[in-house]
Amino acid sequence: GAVVSQHPSWVICKSGTSVKIECRSLDFQATTMFWYRQFPKQSLMLMATSNEGSKATYEQGVEKDKFLINHASLTLSTLTVTSAHPEDSSFYICSATGLAGGLWYEQYFGPGTRLTVT
Amino acid sequence: GESVGLHLPTLSVQEGDNSIINCAYSNSASDYFIWYKQESGKGPQFIIDIRSNMDKRQGQRVTVLLNKTVKHLSLQIAATQPGDSAVYFCAENDQGGSEKLVFGKGTKLTVNP
Repeated sequence: GAVVSQHPSWVICKSGTSVKIECRSLDFQATTMFWYRQFPKQSLMLMATSNEGSKATYEQGVEKDKFLINHASLTLSTLTVTSAHPEDSSFYICSATGLAGGLWYEQYFGPGTRLTVT
Repeated sequence: GESVGLHLPTLSVQEGDNSIINCAYSNSASDYFIWYKQESGKGPQFIIDIRSNMDKRQGQRVTVLLNKTVKHLSLQIAATQPGDSAVYFCAENDQGGSEKLVFGKGTKLTVNP
């Protein structure tokens, strides 16, 4: 299957600072990327849908000014957590999918990024 | 609203036994379902999927059953191995063009040697 990478795999930052997480599709062009957040022992919650070259679509309750998403190319989407606070500490996971021949690929998930805000 | 839930949050089985993980969904428009395996500290890993025009699909040691009448999905793992220990999530999509997935709560499977 296709490979999706995330960087960094874990990050610790101080409260009030911003942190950027990258999501890359390594061997296919991802027209759409999704960003999820997962708290311990909970399920994945979709935060936003990111389409290449356009503004991200955020799920209800997700602050778009706090979680900045940029999908500048068909292989890269970034999530920036601005003015991070301890409650933003979580496991952030991206997934990527693309359209080829009129058919959608399945969603391929990245390995996740563990964010700890101190 | 849409929701995908699981009946059992934890499941403990003996190595070699068969495992059955259940999932209920509420969106009757959902027409595509996926089971994912997530090991600790890792992203979800695709296991098997099924479309709503099918009621059963088999993979290697895994079978997914779909009952649209009662909106129920199950994952059967044959001859469960210690490496199968993980959290299993079902996810649904209504293929409405957005490709968004709605994940269930997850079941933690523990395989005892």
